[in-house]
Amino acid sequence: DAKTTQPPSMDCAEGRAANLPCNHSTISGNEYVYWYRQIHSQGPQYIIHGLKNNETNEMASLIITEDRKSSTLILPHATLRDTAVYYCIVRVRAGTASKLTFGTGTRLQVTL
Amino acid sequence: NAGVTQTPKFRILKIGQSMTLQCTQDMNHNYMYWYRQDPGMGLKLIYYSVGAGITDKGEVPNGYNVSRSTTEDFPLRLELAAPSQTSVYFCASSSQMGQGGQETQYFGPGTRLLVL
Repeated sequence: DAKTTQPPSMDCAEGRAANLPCNHSTISGNEYVYWYRQIHSQGPQYIIHGLKNNETNEMASLIITEDRKSSTLILPHATLRDTAVYYCIVRVRAGTASKLTFGTGTRLQVTL
Repeated sequence: NAGVTQTPKFRILKIGQSMTLQCTQDMNHNYMYWYRQDPGMGLKLIYYSVGAGITDKGEVPNGYNVSRSTTEDFPLRLELAAPSQTSVYFCASSSQMGQGGQETQYFGPGTRLLVL
């Protein structure tokens, strides 16, 4: 199972881009990288996922390096409501379902 | 769509008591999951189900039981509550895995359980 490594915490000024890094050097070729976030004890919320190519949606952008050993989640204009714990996850299959292995994530604090 | 709903939001149990945590989803998802989250930690998978009548153990199943009689409901049963089961419990659901293995899980708001 590919494991991920994230910094425990980061700060970002409101209105600036937040760049959250993740290392997943043991990822295998058919494993996707997923990002979820958890706002103050709420249920985790899906943000974005990708395999090889960079991805963008209404919430964020995901940049995956060519060797797929690391990725960066970008929140282009962080707001106070983006303060949360962000989890980088490599999807692991549990039988025919998908087990999400959550680490401790990165606690992003957005400040004025 | 209400998405994934969980009841109760909060519960205090005495050691040895039993209870059922309810989880319902209205998205017609085949896959459902139960996770627990201890303070300051990530989520750990307790049980999961790939469809009605089919369940399987996750990473930390001891002390819990599940059933899946319908697509919508996936209750989690604690038979003999212990202080080690004090945690926040999250239920999640997802649709059939897409081509290439893409899948997104949708989480409920959680149930806070305190065992004293």
